[in-house]
Amino acid sequence: AQSVTQLGSHVSVSEGALVLLRCNYSSSVPPYLFWYVQYPNQGLQLLLKYTSAATLVKGINGFEAEFKKSETSFHLTKPSAHMSDAAEYFCAVRTNAGGTSYGKLTFGQGTILTVHP
Amino acid sequence: KAGVTQTPRYLIKTRGQQVTLSCSPISGHRSVSWYQQTPGQGLQFLFEYFSETQRNKGNFPGRFSGRQFSNSRSEMNVSTLELGDSALYLCASTGGWSITGELFFGEGSRLTVL
Repeated sequence: AQSVTQLGSHVSVSEGALVLLRCNYSSSVPPYLFWYVQYPNQGLQLLLKYTSAATLVKGINGFEAEFKKSETSFHLTKPSAHMSDAAEYFCAVRTNAGGTSYGKLTFGQGTILTVHP
Repeated sequence: KAGVTQTPRYLIKTRGQQVTLSCSPISGHRSVSWYQQTPGQGLQFLFEYFSETQRNKGNFPGRFSGRQFSNSRSEMNVSTLELGDSALYLCASTGGWSITGELFFGEGSRLTVL
């Protein structure tokens, strides 16, 4: 079975500082990894996804993530935080071990990002 | 292109009642999944429907059920509501035929059980 661990339930940064949100996965088969963002009272929006085409994935709003198989990690970064980045971020995994059930993602517990002026 | 639409957005029920939530997926998407989001348990998968058939089911009691119609719209039902069923219920759609396909989420239905 696959699982996802997000280290740090809360991360606080200053505006303009580097954002680093950590995600480690556990999977016995090649994983497909996703980062989603959720703003208050809204659904989840995809930031980026890893589909094995490239280990460094660029997403929307200046975010990127690097897949490191040796470390089983898929950390999310952004060089310079903006006030509008304040939200909750979720890492998720899907594997083909689930057969053809592509609607099922396994999510981490989420990381709330706070950005200080 | 319209996104995933969920209705109602907010609702309040009392223990023992039942509730039905509705989800209209993105046009052309055949897979609809449901998730429960709570502060304590996070995002948990309820079930997935594809072409009117349940393709997968999470670890929830039988009080939670769903269905999908021929136009891909989906409903989920929770019977005999308990206080612990208070949550944000999220619906997501995807084409359903690609393991790399992303899920598109609706804004959710927030259920409060009193």
